Amino acid sequence: ETGVTQSPTHLIKTRGQQVTLRCSSQSGHNTVSWYQQALGQGPQFIFQYYREEENGRGNFPPRFSGLQFPNYSSELNVNALELDDSALYLCASSRQGITGDEQYFGPGTRLTVT
Amino acid sequence: GESVGLHLPTLSVQEGDNSIINCAYSNSASDYFIWYKQESGKGPQFIIDIRSNMDKRQGQRVTVLLNKTVKHLSLQIAATQPGDSAVYFCAENTGGNQFYFGTGTSLTVIP
Repeated sequence: ETGVTQSPTHLIKTRGQQVTLRCSSQSGHNTVSWYQQALGQGPQFIFQYYREEENGRGNFPPRFSGLQFPNYSSELNVNALELDDSALYLCASSRQGITGDEQYFGPGTRLTVT
Repeated sequence: GESVGLHLPTLSVQEGDNSIINCAYSNSASDYFIWYKQESGKGPQFIIDIRSNMDKRQGQRVTVLLNKTVKHLSLQIAATQPGDSAVYFCAENTGGNQFYFGTGTSLTVIP
């Protein structure tokens, strides 16, 4: 098991609501990346945080936002939830200048929007 | 935009046989590739990686082959075991922060 934890495990929200997902990074890692994985699809990059600042963003609207804290844990916030936001949200912890074997994924948060 | 796709969405193999999972990518600028394994209820787990200056890389029971001419990547698993049953993704990187994942291949190992 990786040292990356995510909370909550599952979440059900109503369309139009807001949600906050949390990720605790592996010890020694200063970078957190967030991914959205729709059912039957591969993960899609949302954004990355490094030293508390956004450091790259995928093709997601501004209602997807994030934070990184001094202990390198991170939050993903989604406003005005839409049905298509239903997915597994993964965070990945790493050091900057990553190689693949140094990026560890958490188990994900399953978000259902009704 | 990026496009990483897999030729087969599902693959069934007999235990002990070798498995080959294929992946096509479209961005010729991609220079780093990773294969991930994702079991039910878990996040993706790193299997093996390869850089574009290599054609082949071997790990424990796994081999990745890269054909840059046709932009094709494959993962070979030797002596497939029941514990290898999972969804396998290839992911590509062009040197920035983003990894682009393919759709995935579901591997089922038949005992």
